[in-house]
Formats: sequence, structure tokens, C-alpha cells
Amino acid sequence: SQELEQSPQSLIVQEGKNLTINCTSSKTLYGLYWYKQKYGEGLIFLMMLQKGGEEKSHEKITAKLDEKKQQSSLHITASQPSHAGIYLCGADVNSGGGADGLTFGKGTHLIIQP
Amino acid sequence: GAVVSQHPSRVICKSGTSVKIECRSLDFQATTMFWYRQFPKQSLMLMATSNEGSKATYEQGVEKDKFLINHASLTLSTLTVTSAHPEDSSFYICSATGDSNQPQHFGDGTRLSIL
Repeated sequence: SQELEQSPQSLIVQEGKNLTINCTSSKTLYGLYWYKQKYGEGLIFLMMLQKGGEEKSHEKITAKLDEKKQQSSLHITASQPSHAGIYLCGADVNSGGGADGLTFGKGTHLIIQP
Repeated sequence: GAVVSQHPSRVICKSGTSVKIECRSLDFQATTMFWYRQFPKQSLMLMATSNEGSKATYEQGVEKDKFLINHASLTLSTLTVTSAHPEDSSFYICSATGDSNQPQHFGDGTRLSIL
């Protein structure tokens, strides 16, 4: 079963509008990472969240991790064409110390309409 | 920001050929590197974890003799797909991190096509 559920699968938003992408797990997330990917290319790091209730912002993008550390959201304000792409949430679901490989959601394909 | 370079970006070769992919951290020392595989319109799937100077740890279902990983230095890990077959065609992407409190930084990926 998919450990990380990401929604929506695809999203078409008019330029200038706000949008939210969600990432949910049945397991505790010991690190939650948001990346952006253009199809067939590498991942660009956006945000890292590790503490329950944590919220981080960079430019027009805000990411939150809930208190229970099982759900995260990525919010984009006043979307622009440059925001188009595939957004992936990745999570460390292992409680042990040390760097662990990430479990990824299936991604959200964001299209910005002019 | 941290830069990870992956080479080559694209490989097309005949069935039975072995292919080596390099992953380099350019401006930081990567104690741990990871190799992922991504099928079209699918999520990234972790293949193996590579720590400098030790044997790689493979995920369940990943053949270690098929996908040879070497992490000889703190800035370089290589993935060799041995005797590649068409079913090995995929997008392979590496990531690197300096420690567990830092995010993983990804290379640009390698698209492997086996004819």
C-alpha cells in the first residue's frame, strides 16, 4: 500500500490564484520534504519540516507539518507560471537516527493557466 | 545551495551491456548517497542506500548483483547496471546528504534506455 498519499493528483489553477497540495501518512513522519520536479529531470529542494506544528515559508510557498506529524500541506499564494511542475512530498518514516532513504508520494502535477 | 551532479543524463545501449552512472556532490561531503528509480508517471522508489567506505544497503526486491553500487569517496557514488535488459529501462536518480539533519539534494537523473 502507498505509505504517502498525495492529493490532488493533478491541479489546474488560474494564474494569480492560491492553491494547496496535501501529503498524508498513516505513520509518523520523522522528516517531511517537499520537492519540485520537471518531468524527466531532477528534484529541486523546497522545504524541510521535522517538528510537529512546524511551518516554513519561502517567497510565495508555505509548508506546514501537523502536530501529529502525519500530514503536511504545501500552499502557494498568487501562483505564477514558474510554479508549474510536479510537486513531490518525501518522508523519512524510520525512527532510527542517521540519514534514511525517503518514501515519496506519487506527486501532484500543477498547471498554471495564464 | 548544495549541488549534486549526475552523469550521464541519457544512455541508450543494447541489451546485455553494463552501464555506469556517476553521482557527485560538488560542494559538500556526502556521507550518505541514495539511488532511486522512477517509472513514467510514478513515484520515486528507493533502491539502495550508500555510505562512504561501506557496502550499500539494498531495498527489498532490488538485486544487489544486478545494481552494483560503489561509494569510494565522500563525493562520489556510482551505480552500475550489469547486463542491462529492456526491463531495466527507467529514470535513475541519485541524492546526497551530509547528515540526517540536512535535506537530500538530488542529481538531474539519468534516463536509461535498453534496446
